[in-house]
Amino acid sequence: AQSVTQLGSHVSVSEGALVLLRCNYSSSVPPYLFWYVQYPNQGLQLLLKYTSAATLVKGINGFEAEFKKSETSFHLTKPSAHMSDAAEYFCAVSRGAAGNKLTFGGGTRVLVKP
Amino acid sequence: DTAVSQTPKYLVTQMGNDKSIKCEQNLGHDTMYWYKQDSKKFLKIMFSYNNKELIINETVPNRFSPKSPDKAHLNLHINSLELGDSAVYFCASSQDRDTGELFFGEGSRLTVL
Repeated sequence: AQSVTQLGSHVSVSEGALVLLRCNYSSSVPPYLFWYVQYPNQGLQLLLKYTSAATLVKGINGFEAEFKKSETSFHLTKPSAHMSDAAEYFCAVSRGAAGNKLTFGGGTRVLVKP
Repeated sequence: DTAVSQTPKYLVTQMGNDKSIKCEQNLGHDTMYWYKQDSKKFLKIMFSYNNKELIINETVPNRFSPKSPDKAHLNLHINSLELGDSAVYFCASSQDRDTGELFFGEGSRLTVL
């Protein structure tokens, strides 16, 4: 079985400040890990993914995430928040095997203050 | 052109009615999914089809019946709607069954009164 925990359902940052969203996973096999972003009234969009290559993954819009096996974490960061980063962010895990099934965390809403 | 399109975007209906949501993808993907997002934004997979074959069927009431007439379409029919069915339903597709890189539609918000 696999699961994802996102710490903090809401995060508030000032424009220009660091964005840090926490994600911890559990998986019985080496996981594939993902971050998705959902803007208001839209579907989810892939930000970045980890599939057992480099542990530091760069994504779109200046986001990156680091896979730490010892900590079973895949935290998402962005050095400088922009107003357009206000959205809901979801961490997800899959086994990457046949019959793939993505399991999502509960989401973290990011508010960006001017 | 929208990659994954769902219709309708909004659906308001009475308890006990039957309704359908349609989904089409023009990405040439082999695998399609239905996800349900509840009022707390929690996302859960319902079904997945690969080349018209059902490969994932989560614990979903049998009032929900997916249908895939071809690999570009995956429709969701819901019988005897209940209040608890109110949610946003997302269709998604992926290149194949082994990737977690999903492309989502904009969602269909179902409200059951």
